[in-house]
Amino acid sequence: DVKVTQSSRYLVKRTGEKVFLECVQDMDHENMFWYRQDPGLGLRLIYFSYDVKMKEKGDIPEGYSVSREKKERFSLILESASTNQTSMYLCASSLEPGAGNQPQHFGDGTRLSIL
Amino acid sequence: AQSVTQLDSHVSVSEGTPVLLRCNYSSSYSPSLFWYVQHPNKGLQLLLKYTSAATLVKGINGFEAEFKKSETSFHLTKPSAHMSDAAEYFCVVSPYSGGGADGLTFGKGTHLIIQP
Repeated sequence: DVKVTQSSRYLVKRTGEKVFLECVQDMDHENMFWYRQDPGLGLRLIYFSYDVKMKEKGDIPEGYSVSREKKERFSLILESASTNQTSMYLCASSLEPGAGNQPQHFGDGTRLSIL
Repeated sequence: AQSVTQLDSHVSVSEGTPVLLRCNYSSSYSPSLFWYVQHPNKGLQLLLKYTSAATLVKGINGFEAEFKKSETSFHLTKPSAHMSDAAEYFCVVSPYSGGGADGLTFGKGTHLIIQP
């Protein structure tokens, strides 16, 4: 069965810290995504990757970076955490070709609080 | 450019009655459309998808959706609601690009409440 695993369900960090959120998929998917989900705003795409070492900015990349050194792992990095980055973070993966006809498979999310 | 509008932020129905969650979209292309469900403290799970084949799409758990191009709608229905259907539902649109990893646009979600 399809499996996307996010390393933490809940995380509490302090302002200014560097924060790493990890995501692993076991489906050999080419595409991986990071979203944040906020009440009333739905899901917003932060970054995505369509291959190892490749990355593309999504709709709200400011304050974030990503790393994809291996096909199965996609990391989201908050360079210097701020309180407005408190949110639910969702990782997803999909097969090629593209997002147009391949559904995305989601992890259970990481609820991040920045104090 | 594309967009998706879920017309109701909350829908409340009684158990055993029909469910209707409304979604309208706009897209410059012939789109692919999806419905996802999110239960509390969980990720999103695919319910069904439309990718230019049959306009009536059947999904999991008794849900179905009808693609109506003339109305630019993709409403989600279920004949009889069950308590386990209580969740957040997202309508998602994507241009039928056939390549690339971007392009999904999510609606803001509809919270489905099931009354006993």
